[in-house]
Amino acid sequence: GAVVSQHPSRVICKSGTSVKIECRSLDFQATTMFWYRQFPKKSLMLMATSNEGSKATYEQGVEKDKFLINHASLTLSTLTVTSAHPEDSSFYICSARRGPDRVNTGELFFGEGSRLTVL
Amino acid sequence: GNSVTQMEGPVTLSEEAFLTINCTYTATGYPSLFWYVQYPGEGLQLLLKATKADDKGSNKGFEATYRKETTSFHLEKGSVQVSDSAVYFCALRPSSASKIIFGSGTRLSIRP
Repeated sequence: GAVVSQHPSRVICKSGTSVKIECRSLDFQATTMFWYRQFPKKSLMLMATSNEGSKATYEQGVEKDKFLINHASLTLSTLTVTSAHPEDSSFYICSARRGPDRVNTGELFFGEGSRLTVL
Repeated sequence: GNSVTQMEGPVTLSEEAFLTINCTYTATGYPSLFWYVQYPGEGLQLLLKATKADDKGSNKGFEATYRKETTSFHLEKGSVQVSDSAVYFCALRPSSASKIIFGSGTRLSIRP
């Protein structure tokens, strides 16, 4: 099946620094990628929709200047947590949409997630 | 707005027991409904889906029927195995959008 890779899987940083998380679709091109945040014992919260070549669409309540999203190519989207604080510590998950086209139905494929810990 | 509510876990069952994980949704129009599974140490995977009322999604012995009258999409399996231990997420995609909205997830543990 299709593979989506996230890197790094774990990152620990100091408060005030910025952290970049990459999301790659390894064997297909994804015009749309999604970034989610997963809180302990809570659902995955959609943060933003990342569209290749255009600005990301952020969900209500998500600070776009805090969580910078770049989708510079059809196989790569990045999430940068700027000036990270301990409350930004979380599990961040990306997903990439394959299609829809003549062959694919637009199914989402998920990365394995990146756990960010801000000290 | 659109939302998904699923039963809280953890759910612990013995092997070969019958499984039901309840899921109800709120949405306008005709959303598509999904169950995703997250095995330990892995990313989310699509387990099954249904795109219109009365559709039944099935995969790996799991089933769920899209019930518009009760706005539900309960996940069932007749005989669970230890390998089914995972976190299960119910989700919907609104009819006019590409994004997916998830429930809170239900952790399932199966005892040998």
